[in-house]
Amino acid sequence: EAGVTQSPTHLIKTRGQQATLRCSPISGHTSVYWYQQALGLGLQFLLWYDEGEERNRGNFPPRFSGRQFPNYSSELNVNALELEDSALYLCASSFGPSGRTDTQYFGPGTRLTVL
Amino acid sequence: GNSVTQMEGPVTLSEEAFLTINCTYTATGYPSLFWYVQYPGEGLQLLLKATKADDKGSNKGFEATYRKETTSFHLEKGSVQVSDSAVYFCALISGGSYIPTFGRGTSLIVHP
Repeated sequence: EAGVTQSPTHLIKTRGQQATLRCSPISGHTSVYWYQQALGLGLQFLLWYDEGEERNRGNFPPRFSGRQFPNYSSELNVNALELEDSALYLCASSFGPSGRTDTQYFGPGTRLTVL
Repeated sequence: GNSVTQMEGPVTLSEEAFLTINCTYTATGYPSLFWYVQYPGEGLQLLLKATKADDKGSNKGFEATYRKETTSFHLEKGSVQVSDSAVYFCALISGGSYIPTFGRGTSLIVHP
């Protein structure tokens, strides 16, 4: 069974540009989560989508946005890129909001570099 | 709110040494506890989990016991290998929140 996939693997942008990152969840999973992993900061929760709706959002500015498509794949958009947006962006999926025992399955990440 | 505190790294060990990575937490409600591992250049993988007090999660020689009285979930392995070199994240999901709270991660370096 295929795992969570993310594209592109690496993305290089300049300050002020927009970045689009993509994620395909494991088949059968309806929830997709996005995290930012900046150097030395651990994982910071960005966004959670389930059944096409945004369910929760972390403490990030509105220029971080996304959507979930009918096939449950997801896109993360970052507008007006800043240098501090350089990080590894991880996508995870799960069977949905099944509660406290839910396990998330992570993709390999997209490395975004802002110059 | 929820929080997870892990010991600072890096932890540097020789092959076959005993490993402990400490993890303590604060949570509203009754959390489930997780350890994830991130190998170089990869995303996170679930290593083990425990969903109630005194449960022991285990996988690949790693173990962790859910200790409600000390709010801890320390990761242990009896004999580490070079291939265990990675970053280890402790995490919890609690109450009505479907968003896990992660610790900052602990880097483990194992020398031959």
